[in-house]
Amino acid sequence: KNQVEQSPQSLIILEGKNCTLQCNYTVSPFSNLRWYKQDTGRGPVSLTIMTFSENTKSNGRYTATLDADTKQSSLHITASQLSDSASYICVVSETTSGTYKYIFGTGTRLKVLA
Amino acid sequence: NAGVTQTPKFQVLKTGQSMTLQCAQDMNHEYMSWYRQDPGMGLRLIHYSVGAGITDQGEVPNGYNVSRSTTEDFPLRLLSAAPSQTSVYFCASSSGFGELFFGEGSRLTVL
Repeated sequence: KNQVEQSPQSLIILEGKNCTLQCNYTVSPFSNLRWYKQDTGRGPVSLTIMTFSENTKSNGRYTATLDADTKQSSLHITASQLSDSASYICVVSETTSGTYKYIFGTGTRLKVLA
Repeated sequence: NAGVTQTPKFQVLKTGQSMTLQCAQDMNHEYMSWYRQDPGMGLRLIHYSVGAGITDQGEVPNGYNVSRSTTEDFPLRLLSAAPSQTSVYFCASSSGFGELFFGEGSRLTVL
């Protein structure tokens, strides 16, 4: 069964510290992987996209990595800010006969404290 | 740019009532979808559409109906609301296997 698992479920860090969120998937055939940020009460917004051939991609203080062999991705947040407090959702796209399928993780809830 | 627009933002229903959540996108995306988000369960796919006139069921379709008469609009109908349908509903659209663009959500409470 295609699944996306994220860890930890929740995380509390102090402002200015770094953190890493994990995403493991069993989706096949794999098309791409995206990390979304969801602020409380808002819809998710895409942070990065990783395709099969990409290992690392950065978006400001956010850096995503992908290991397609072990089917693992991570999202590293550098020098955290209060505005980073949100849920981070890993979404893997599966392609089968041209159909659309997005597999969602349950998310990691990050709280950054002053 | 409006992106994906959902209405209403909040709604309270009584058990057995019916209603429609509206979703419109102005990006000419062929793919549109509805999700519900419950605490601790992440986003779950209700129904989706890959183009006008084409709809299909997702993971949790029971109690919901959809139609896609135009590229822009994808309404979600609750046929007979139940307390188990209390949730936050998100509409999303994309082009190809691209980025999903989400609406701001519709918070539904069924009493």
